Amino acid sequence: DADVTQTPRNRITKTGKRIMLECSQTKGHDRMYWYRQDPGLGLRLIYYSFDVKDINKGEISDGYSVSRQAQAKFSLSLESAIPNQTALYFCATSDLLGDNTGELFFGEGSRLTVL
Amino acid sequence: RKEVEQDPGPFNVPEGATVAFNCTYSNSASQSFFWYRQDCRKEPKLLMSVYSSGNEDGRFTAQLNRASQYISLLIRDSKLSDSATYLCVVNRDNDMRFGAGTRLTVKP
Repeated sequence: DADVTQTPRNRITKTGKRIMLECSQTKGHDRMYWYRQDPGLGLRLIYYSFDVKDINKGEISDGYSVSRQAQAKFSLSLESAIPNQTALYFCATSDLLGDNTGELFFGEGSRLTVL
Repeated sequence: RKEVEQDPGPFNVPEGATVAFNCTYSNSASQSFFWYRQDCRKEPKLLMSVYSSGNEDGRFTAQLNRASQYISLLIRDSKLSDSATYLCVVNRDNDMRFGAGTRLTVKP
């Protein structure tokens, strides 16, 4: 089983619908992240959380919200989806980044299409 | 201007070739640097960190030039299995910024 699990893996929805992407991890990491990937733009950080009580906006948080339900769970919500939120979404976890290991552990991705 | 810029490629090379990828970053306060690898339709995975003195891991060599804000990755003796997209990643205050990636295809 994957250490970082995302659900759903694929979703097609309509403009205006509320969508939730869920992420769970078995790595025991405190830090969790949500990124989106678009062709030609690379991965961009939406939100991140360093522990259950800590939520921080990333580079592109507008139109998104998150919930850190437990150390192992971090969900991303689109309250009212719009077509330009069509993208591949990745959840990631890390232990510490300050020690230069730089290792983010990614889930397999959730492909979202908003019509 | 993007914070991390890479040549998107694609780079198409024969097996056994040596190929080099470049990356520039705009924020001089960046603290640590990495190369990630992403296979088609898969998640990114850490390939190697990049140290100021340069570092090597088998056929892969990474270099950092802080003065020029430039990072490179050299792959020697390319294998078919090296075909992937290579992502340059720059960390500043636990904020990891990704380049858009350089796509490599190694052909028989």
